[in-house]
Amino acid sequence: QQQVKQSPQSLIVQKGGISIINCAYENTAFDYFPWYQQFPGKGPALLIAIRPDVSEKKEGRFTISFNKSAKQFSLHIMDSQPGDSATYFCAAKEQAGTALIFGKGTTLSVSS
Amino acid sequence: DAGVIQSPRHEVTEMGQEVTLRCKPISGHNSLFWYRQTMMRGLELLIYFNNNVPIDDSGMPEDRFSAKMPNASFSTLKIQPSEPRDSAVYFCASSLQVLYEQYFGPGTRLTVT
Repeated sequence: QQQVKQSPQSLIVQKGGISIINCAYENTAFDYFPWYQQFPGKGPALLIAIRPDVSEKKEGRFTISFNKSAKQFSLHIMDSQPGDSATYFCAAKEQAGTALIFGKGTTLSVSS
Repeated sequence: DAGVIQSPRHEVTEMGQEVTLRCKPISGHNSLFWYRQTMMRGLELLIYFNNNVPIDDSGMPEDRFSAKMPNASFSTLKIQPSEPRDSAVYFCASSLQVLYEQYFGPGTRLTVT
């Protein structure tokens, strides 16, 4: 049972464009929603995270939008750059639990 | 500060051989996680430890897989005997118990022929 559904599986964006990756969940006990970025040959690295008490969090060109009623959250990458080309994973976690539940990942390619 | 350290970075072995992957978590972290990543299944949690104690090993695929954490600074994941379908990248991650951020190591790419 996949608890976090991520889409799209792959994404191609022009340099300077906006990249949008979406995730949906069912478990209302989730209270922490991070996004991880993974470059080829590297481990995933925490990019940005949000808790459900806010609807948006912005760090530089990266923004998480959170819709609690729809049980959806998304990552927006503004002014996408070729260096942003990587695989992005959304994840979710319950307060009481410890394990992160990951989405399947989105491979982003930013063309120059 | 050193991050999560994993060894070896690459391992090629023949089917039936024993494989041992090693992990050193970030100093002070007391939760440790082992993940497996494949194209087909994505990132899968295999097992995690809290204060050196295994908490949830429901992700361990078969009895051929075992993991230990003899102290706070070292963990192993062993596969015996290995099979070609075990080929994957295995990640170790650590976190502070009271915080949520997990920090991943660089991974071990395992190839079983």
